[in-house]
Amino acid sequence: QVQLQQWGAGLVKPSETLSLTCTVHGGSLNGYYWSWIRQAPGKGLEWIGEINHSGSADYNPSLKSRLTISADTSKNQLSLRLTSVSAADTAVYYCARGGNSRRFWGQGTLVTVSS
Amino acid sequence: QSALTQPRSVSGSPGQSVTISCTGTSSEVSFYNFVSWYQQHPGKAPKLLISDVDKRPSGVPDRFSASKSGDRASLTISGLQAEDEADYYCCSYGGRVFGGGTKLTVL
Repeated sequence: QVQLQQWGAGLVKPSETLSLTCTVHGGSLNGYYWSWIRQAPGKGLEWIGEINHSGSADYNPSLKSRLTISADTSKNQLSLRLTSVSAADTAVYYCARGGNSRRFWGQGTLVTVSS
Repeated sequence: QSALTQPRSVSGSPGQSVTISCTGTSSEVSFYNFVSWYQQHPGKAPKLLISDVDKRPSGVPDRFSASKSGDRASLTISGLQAEDEADYYCCSYGGRVFGGGTKLTVL
């Protein structure tokens, strides 16, 4: 069974960089798209971006200038970096397998942007 | 792309059926055969209920069904159970656009 385990800092200061990692257990990065999705408190789901196993990434236009998504196939890991964060970036961040549909999700990481 | 439009809330009694609609504004639904639906309980990650408009992943009860007509997709939950009370999201445009979510209350 595929499991996605996320970790990263839960508290980030304004203007600093948000960094999260997602390790895939029980499966390979190869052959799939991998997504990051976030959910602000009390709000709906927002697509952040995605990457395939070969490293080709696509980003939400509203975040593109601040966002980097990468994949390390040797470690079976995905990474998310979001620079110059503000309170508007406070959300639960999820990694998930898939592009068009996503069956496997990480547990979610609440990231709060606050000084 | 704009978010997909869903009703904010729906409700039904146990055993009844409810339908949640998902409407696009710029061909997000009509053009793509990759509409998916997710169920999310409070504090939990979303769970995939439907992929590719009407396909249920293994383990999803057949009480959950979905369809699409033009720019409108629909999720129907029949034989409502208390555990179905959750938020439901549609998704299209290559998985990049989500609906605003619908809160299902089981009365």
